[in-house]
Amino acid sequence: AQKITQTQPGMFVQEKEAVTLDCTYDTSDPSYGLFWYKQPSSGEMIFLIYQGSYDQQNATEGRYSLNFQKARKSANLVISASQLGDSAMYFCAMRELNSGGYQKVTFGTGTKLQVIP
Amino acid sequence: DAGVTQSPTHLIKTRGQQVTLRCSPKSGHDTVSWYQQALGQGPQFIFQYYEEEERQRGNFPDRFSGHQFPNYSSELNVNALLLGDSALYLCASSLNPADATQYFGPGTRLLVL
Repeated sequence: AQKITQTQPGMFVQEKEAVTLDCTYDTSDPSYGLFWYKQPSSGEMIFLIYQGSYDQQNATEGRYSLNFQKARKSANLVISASQLGDSAMYFCAMRELNSGGYQKVTFGTGTKLQVIP
Repeated sequence: DAGVTQSPTHLIKTRGQQVTLRCSPKSGHDTVSWYQQALGQGPQFIFQYYEEEERQRGNFPDRFSGHQFPNYSSELNVNALLLGDSALYLCASSLNPADATQYFGPGTRLLVL
């Protein structure tokens, strides 16, 4: 069974600074994918970034980058130049596919990020 | 381009009742997944629907059932409600079952008294 661990319940970062949110995972599947989602207080989950287990390059999307270290089974999210609007819950998630190719996504417990002016 | 929509936004039920939640996927998407998010927790996968059939299921009892219609919209039904079913229920859609990117709706907040 797959598992996602986020060890930081809460993080503070100064506006315009970079911050790293930690995520480790455990799976026996050779093919998997890792996500990061943002959930503001409004409740809606917003997709940020995705990394496939076979992707050679680390994924980047604007100010977000995923630091994928396969051997260490970690998939940390780096947010550069933090903005006040980045204050939210951040979830790391992993997908596995069943024999039919249908995905099941497991989420971590989340990290609450607060950006300080 | 409409995103994922869910109804109702809020719902209050009592123990033992049944509830139906609805989801319309993003335009062009044919795959719908449902998640339960208890307060202070990450979402937990309930099931995924594609071509009107349940294709993948998480660790939820049979009280949780679903349906997908020919227009790709979906329903989540929960029977014999328990206090522990109180949560935010999120619907997510994707372009197809193989597409990793899911777009989430705003959710339905269910309170069971």
